[in-house]
Order: sequence, then structure tokens, then C-alpha cells
Amino acid sequence: DGGITQSPKYLFRKEGQNVTLSCEQNLNHDAMYWYRQDPGQGLRLIYYSQIVNDFQKGDIAEGYSVSREKKESFPLTVTSAQKNPTAFYLCASSNTGDTEAFFGQGTRLTVV
Amino acid sequence: KQEVTQIPAALSVPEGENLVLNCSFTDSAIYNLQWFRQDPGKGLTSLLLIQSSQREQTSGRLNASLDKSSGRSTLYIAASQPGDSATYLCAVRGSRLTFGEGTQLTVNP
Repeated sequence: DGGITQSPKYLFRKEGQNVTLSCEQNLNHDAMYWYRQDPGQGLRLIYYSQIVNDFQKGDIAEGYSVSREKKESFPLTVTSAQKNPTAFYLCASSNTGDTEAFFGQGTRLTVV
Repeated sequence: KQEVTQIPAALSVPEGENLVLNCSFTDSAIYNLQWFRQDPGKGLTSLLLIQSSQREQTSGRLNASLDKSSGRSTLYIAASQPGDSATYLCAVRGSRLTFGEGTQLTVNP
């Protein structure tokens, strides 16, 4: 099946810990995105990548880091510098330009 | 910076009613506009994609229009059903994919 897989579905983080959220796609898409969604709010862009080994900050990149070593993978690390990480995280992919974007099923991160 | 606004923020209608959701954006230099559906606690499901050169797209009971020059799009849902209850999001593709805050739709039996 072609698509985007996010794991884990639920993640719990202790104060001061770094955690990494996985996003893998087998759609052969060039571009990948990470969004954060808080209750009752829209999606805010954290980071995006349009090509392997290159990525750009979105609107709320502070406290997050990413890598894009492989076309199919775009992991997001939530660092201890992110003071309010509890949220729903969504990964998306598309080809560049005039094409449709597809989303994974999300990871819900909770700080305990 | 692209800004996307969706009106209304919430909508409650009786089953069978036709309805329109609105999306506006500030920068008309876009590649496309996409409408998504999100069920509670789930990811986004793509409903319709309108290319920048197109005026509308249809899928079943859904019809989306795009007026790029005025920065507006509408999503028309015909003969609404309780299963249509969800949050509907529009997103515009420029150098990045920018979302509105969504319209939460409730269709009452």
C-alpha cells in the first residue's frame, strides 16, 4: 500500500527528554512537511523539506529539529528546548509544485 | 506571508441541507488549493484539489470552486448527511502549504 506512515501513534515524554517522531513515505514524493495541531486550532508548519539533505524552518521551528538523509524519511525531534510540546503532530508529503499533498495519521505527544 | 481564513468557524445544519464553506487567502500566487476533511483525533483526508488554472472540481456531493484573482474558494456540500460531520480545512500551495483554521461541521439527523 502506498502512503505515509507515522509512528508511534501515541508518545509520552518526560520533562527534559528529547523524543523523535517517525515519518516514512513510499509515494516517491520530493517534499515532506511537519505540522503541529493544538486543540481547536489549525495546522502550524514546523519544518519542511523539498529535497534530500535540505530543509527549511516553518513558522514554529524553535525547539524542534529534523533531518532528511533519505527521500522517504523525515524524522522530527522534539527537544527539551520546546517548552510546550503536548500536541498532535502531522506529517505530509507531496511532489513539488502543482500536486496533491497526503497526510499520515498523526502522532499524539503528551508530556508527563 | 500567505494567510488563509475560513468562515464560518463552526456550522450546525439539519440533515439534507445544502451548505457552503468559505476559504480566503491573501497571496494569489499559488500552485493549487486543496480541501481536506479531518475526523477527531485523526489525520487529514484529501477531498478535492483545484489547480491554479482551474475554476472548479467535483467529487460526488462535493464541489469546490476557486477564484484566484479574488483569493477565494468555496466548498459546496449537497444533501448533507450525519457522516459529513467533521472539520474541513483548506490549504493553499505556494512556496509552502498553508492552512486555514478549519470549519467544524455538525450535521444533525
